[in-house]
Amino acid sequence: DAGVTQSPTHLIKTRGQQVTLRCSPISGHKSVSWYQQVLGQGPQFIFQYYEKEERGRGNFPDRFSARQFPNYSSELNVNALLLGDSALYLCASTRDSSYEQYFGPGTRLTVT
Amino acid sequence: DQQVKQNSPSLSVQEGRISILNCDYTNSMFDYFLWYKKYPAEGPTFLISISSIKDKNEDGRFTVFLNKSAKHLSLHIVPSQPGDSAVYFCAASLYGGSQGNLIFGKGTKLSVKP
Repeated sequence: DAGVTQSPTHLIKTRGQQVTLRCSPISGHKSVSWYQQVLGQGPQFIFQYYEKEERGRGNFPDRFSARQFPNYSSELNVNALLLGDSALYLCASTRDSSYEQYFGPGTRLTVT
Repeated sequence: DQQVKQNSPSLSVQEGRISILNCDYTNSMFDYFLWYKKYPAEGPTFLISISSIKDKNEDGRFTVFLNKSAKHLSLHIVPSQPGDSAVYFCAASLYGGSQGNLIFGKGTKLSVKP
């Protein structure tokens, strides 16, 4: 089975712009989580979606939003980009009742 | 306030020897712990996990030990191989599956020298 896929791989945006990142979970996984990883830090939780409903939200401003589609894929949107939003954005999927989350390769966002 | 701490930013070990990576946590409500390995330009890869009701879990060369009273866990890799060189993250979960999210430490960079 294919793993978690994310697109695009890399992205360069200008301050103030908006960006949409995409994620497809492993087949059969209904839960998708988004994480932000800045250099030198561990991944930090942004959102979790399960069956198209938001199940959890980390300590991120309202500029960050997400949604999950009927096929369980997900999008992360970030509005009014700041330089500090430059990071690796990771998507992870989980089977029902499982703790283990499986990560995609990430999208490297650079804000200039 | 960092709830999961990996106090050693780096560790260097000779090939064939044991690598021991340590992790401390502050929240006694964590009920599941995981270790991930990350290579540059890749997402974290799940390695091994342990439930809070156990004190040891083993999978091949990897063993995780949990000391709940000390709020400490460790990952042992025996024998270490050059391909193990990567950043290792400790993570903890308050709830599982569809209701959970992971809280990560800052990672420890392991270098295994031939």
